[in-house]
Amino acid sequence: QKEVEQNSGPLSVPEGAIASLNCTYSDRGSQSFFWYRQYSGKSPELIMSIYSNGDKEDGRFTAQLNKASQYVSLLIRDSQPSDSATYLCAVRVTGFQKLVFGTGTRLLVSP
Amino acid sequence: DAGVIQSPRHEVTEMGQEVTLRCKPISGHNSLFWYRQTMMRGLELLIYFNNNVPIDDSGMPEDRFSAKMPNASFSTLKIQPSEPRDSAVYFCASSLRPLTNRGDHYGYTFGSGTRLTVV
Repeated sequence: QKEVEQNSGPLSVPEGAIASLNCTYSDRGSQSFFWYRQYSGKSPELIMSIYSNGDKEDGRFTAQLNKASQYVSLLIRDSQPSDSATYLCAVRVTGFQKLVFGTGTRLLVSP
Repeated sequence: DAGVIQSPRHEVTEMGQEVTLRCKPISGHNSLFWYRQTMMRGLELLIYFNNNVPIDDSGMPEDRFSAKMPNASFSTLKIQPSEPRDSAVYFCASSLRPLTNRGDHYGYTFGSGTRLTVV
């Protein structure tokens, strides 16, 4: 089992819709969770972090964490074509500083 | 802030040649990470440093790979000899080291990457 798993997609949504991206992780003791956005040919860019159960909102983005289910999600409201990118879920491994990344979900937002 | 600076942006080399990738972290960041990204395997951590000291190099593929951080503002990743399977994008990232291990929200800042092609 991979440490961090994501559906590779692509996830296709129309402009203005809500995009829901999901991630599961295997290390039950993990405490810090991150979402990165990566445009084609560019480097990953941090967009959200969360470390408490529940929801965390930042503009059009909402991160959701459920440690009991070992599940992290990212909701993007009012999706725009400029949101089309690959979204990487990352988990800080218990007791270590390193981040383990999922392979990413490709999101396509059509006008 | 100039961000994390990597060089070169692109490198094409012949199999068997030595390749050196360079990274300058963000000033004040005390942790530095080298990742490799491929389509098949995604982002893989190769090695990371805290305060210039290597902490975990378990991701380094084999002895052909080596990394150094002689000071807080510079790190290198060397591949010698290079092989076609080393072709990938190599990212350097830096961050602040968390004060505790209980959990924190210090993410990484990535450099622009070096696209390495070994022919």
